[in-house]
Amino acid sequence: QQQVKQSPQSLIVQKGGISIINCAYENTAFDYFPWYQQFPGKGPALLIAIRPDVSEKKEGRFTISFNKSAKQFSLHIMDSQPGDSATYFCAAVFKAAGNKLTFGGGTRVLVKP
Amino acid sequence: KAGVTQTPRYLIKTRGQQVTLSCSPISGHRSVSWYQQTPGQGLQFLFEYFSETQRNKGNFPGRFSGRQFSNSRSEMNVSTLELGDSALYLCASSPRNRAGGTDTQYFGPGTRLTVL
Repeated sequence: QQQVKQSPQSLIVQKGGISIINCAYENTAFDYFPWYQQFPGKGPALLIAIRPDVSEKKEGRFTISFNKSAKQFSLHIMDSQPGDSATYFCAAVFKAAGNKLTFGGGTRVLVKP
Repeated sequence: KAGVTQTPRYLIKTRGQQVTLSCSPISGHRSVSWYQQTPGQGLQFLFEYFSETQRNKGNFPGRFSGRQFSNSRSEMNVSTLELGDSALYLCASSPRNRAGGTDTQYFGPGTRLTVL
């Protein structure tokens, strides 16, 4: 059972463009939603995270939008740069269950110069 | 501070063998989690340890086991290896100072296990 569904699987965007990645979850007990960025040969690194009582969170060029009623959240990468080329994973956590991250399938983003 | 370190970085084993992977968390971190990453199944949670106790376990067979030592270092063991166990095994540590709740997890570079 895939509890967090992520789309698209891959994305090509021109430098300066906007990358948009969408995730949907099923378990309403999830109460923390982080996004991770992974470069080849490296482990995932936390990019930005949001809690369901907030509809939007922005950190630099990265913004999370959260729709609790639709059980969906998305990552927007503004002014995409070649250095943003990586695989992005959304995740969900049920805090009372500790540090167990339930990941989406990942989106490979390629930013063309 | 040094990041999460994992050893070895690469490992080749044959079916039926067993393997032990090691993880050293960031200094001061008490929680260590393990994840398996494969192209087909993505990132899947294996287990979490806090203060030498397993706090959480994913849906993996009993061939996958782990432990944590008093210095927070952790090992995971896979017995009777199968071809499908070929994966990148990631360790993550977090500064969590109590058994419950969640906080930022910092991942190591992983151990690439190939089973022939």
